[in-house]
Amino acid sequence: DAKTTQPNSMESNEEEPVHLPCNHSTISGTDYIHWYRQLPSQGPEYVIHGLTSNVNNRMASLAIAEDRKSSTLILHRATLRDAAVYYCILRGGTSNTGKLIFGQGTTLQVKP
Amino acid sequence: GAVVSQHPSRVICKSGTSVKIECRSLDFQATTMFWYRQFPKQSLMLMATSNEGSKATYEQGVEKDKFLINHASLTLSTLTVTSAHPEDSSFYICSATGGTRSTDTQYFGPGTRLTVL
Repeated sequence: DAKTTQPNSMESNEEEPVHLPCNHSTISGTDYIHWYRQLPSQGPEYVIHGLTSNVNNRMASLAIAEDRKSSTLILHRATLRDAAVYYCILRGGTSNTGKLIFGQGTTLQVKP
Repeated sequence: GAVVSQHPSRVICKSGTSVKIECRSLDFQATTMFWYRQFPKQSLMLMATSNEGSKATYEQGVEKDKFLINHASLTLSTLTVTSAHPEDSSFYICSATGGTRSTDTQYFGPGTRLTVL
């Protein structure tokens, strides 16, 4: 699986937008970009995924660079409940095992 | 999203005993389930992939005789930590999915915190 690079931590103020970056310069043409997040002492939860076009859902937006070597998860209005570790994961390529290989992720702190 | 449960949520056992953790998909049929382990302040580490009705596939370095996985039905997978030792104390998390395509979502359980005394 191709590797992703994320900042270790980020801070945000409550009710402000948050942009969480992810670099994946070795992404292959068939890799999907997935984002999961893990709240303290819980299992991870799915946030969003995309291939080439930007994606929106009720939780977040995913902006994918034109060359696909980077992407940004956007939380439009951070709340205290958004404080979590956010993982950017590539899936697909020639492998269809369904595995998710977690990196270190970005720990997001949200200040009131 | 789909619901995955784990039982127990927390277990404390003595060294040398075995502990079984259950993972259930409550509202969908999970053809594939995954087991992860997470130590404090670390990321999730994939231990094994479990397909219904077949033997689990273990990641490199994971002892299959120590971590027994059974996926007997499309809604239940179990992880048994045999002869547990204090170094096995960890947060064990399962996930379930209805497919293994690149677009298929994994749904995670809430985790089981194992403490071995």
